[in-house]
Amino acid sequence: GAVVSQHPSRVICKSGTSVKIECRSLDFQATTMFWYRQFPKKSLMLMATSNEGSKATYEQGVEKDKFLINHASLTLSTLTVTSAHPEDSSFYICSARVTSGSLNTQYFGPGTRLTVL
Amino acid sequence: SQELEQSPQSLIVQEGKNLTINCTSSKTLYGLYWYKQKYGEGLIFLMMLQKGGEEKSHEKITAKLDEKKQQSSLHITASQPSHAGIYLCGADHAGKSTFGDGTTLTVKP
Repeated sequence: GAVVSQHPSRVICKSGTSVKIECRSLDFQATTMFWYRQFPKKSLMLMATSNEGSKATYEQGVEKDKFLINHASLTLSTLTVTSAHPEDSSFYICSARVTSGSLNTQYFGPGTRLTVL
Repeated sequence: SQELEQSPQSLIVQEGKNLTINCTSSKTLYGLYWYKQKYGEGLIFLMMLQKGGEEKSHEKITAKLDEKKQQSSLHITASQPSHAGIYLCGADHAGKSTFGDGTTLTVKP
């Protein structure tokens, strides 16, 4: 099946620094990717929809200047957490959508655990 | 927006027992997905249901979508420790996916 990778899998950074997380579709092209945030024992919270070649669409309450998304190619989307603070510590998951006819299937990356000290 | 409620929130079963997880939507479902997640990892796609009354099986896991397309159930037969994890239902609405809060399954050997 389709594979989505994320890099890094874990990152620890100091407060105030920026962190970039990459999401790649390895064997297919994805015009649409999604970024989620997950808190412990909670479900996924959609942060933004990343569209190749255009600006990302952010969900209400998500600061677009803090969480910069770039979808420069059909196989890569990046999420940059700028000026990270301890409250940004979380598990970030991306997914890529594959559409075949009327069927939409999402393939999820393995996630990136961000810890901000 | 689409809201999905899962029940139970957590489940502890003895190995070999059957179990059922439910997912109820506030709106008609046009695509209902079941995923499994191990803590700290990504989601593994299990099954997708689209048609009312549809039922799909994968190994010992069976998922059904009711005729009214507002409720789905995931049934595991003869549970194994490998079935342990978090089960999430998800649905598409207006081009976006929403998820239930998940059901944490523990299987005791």
